[in-house]
Amino acid sequence: KQEVTQIPAALSVPEGENLVLNCSFTDSAIYNLQWFRQDPGKGLTSLLLIQSSQREQTSGRLNASLDKSSGRSTLYIAASQPGDSATYLCAWKTSYDKVIFGPGTSLSVIP
Amino acid sequence: DTAVSQTPKYLVTQMGNDKSIKCEQNLGHDTMYWYKQDSKKFLKIMFSYNNKELIINETVPNRFSPKSPDKAHLNLHINSLELGDSAVYFCASSRDRVGYGYTFGSGTRLTVV
Repeated sequence: KQEVTQIPAALSVPEGENLVLNCSFTDSAIYNLQWFRQDPGKGLTSLLLIQSSQREQTSGRLNASLDKSSGRSTLYIAASQPGDSATYLCAWKTSYDKVIFGPGTSLSVIP
Repeated sequence: DTAVSQTPKYLVTQMGNDKSIKCEQNLGHDTMYWYKQDSKKFLKIMFSYNNKELIINETVPNRFSPKSPDKAHLNLHINSLELGDSAVYFCASSRDRVGYGYTFGSGTRLTVV
């Protein structure tokens, strides 16, 4: 069964820390992988999309990497801020038209 | 100016009723989606349309019927509502089937009593 796991489920860090969120998917069939954030009561906001031919993508303080052979992606957040507090979800696109979301990591950045 | 707007934001209805949720995007995107987020926050894709053509139809009861009158609109009609249909339903769009420019609506919280 194809599925996505995210570790940790929840994370609380003091402001200013660098942190890593992990996403694992169950097989090597991958079209792309996308990271989203979801604020309470809101829809998802796309952060980064990594194509299967790429190894990483960067946007500001965010860096996402992809390791197809091990079925893993990481989202690195540098110098965390309270405004980064949200739930972060990864979405594994296994083929052109099939996408599976992970359960999310709930991040709390303490001022 | 809201990019992906869905209405209503909240919907409370009795079992057995039929209801619709509307979605419109003004981004000029080709692809639109319906997602269901259950009480445990798991997000699952239900349907996807590309240029008004159905391209994804996950294992969803046939009581759920999407309709795309044009590529800017994707509505969701639900017949004979059941308690288990209670969830937050999100509409989303992207520039193309690859997934660039993914934009979500703010969700419709459906409660079936």
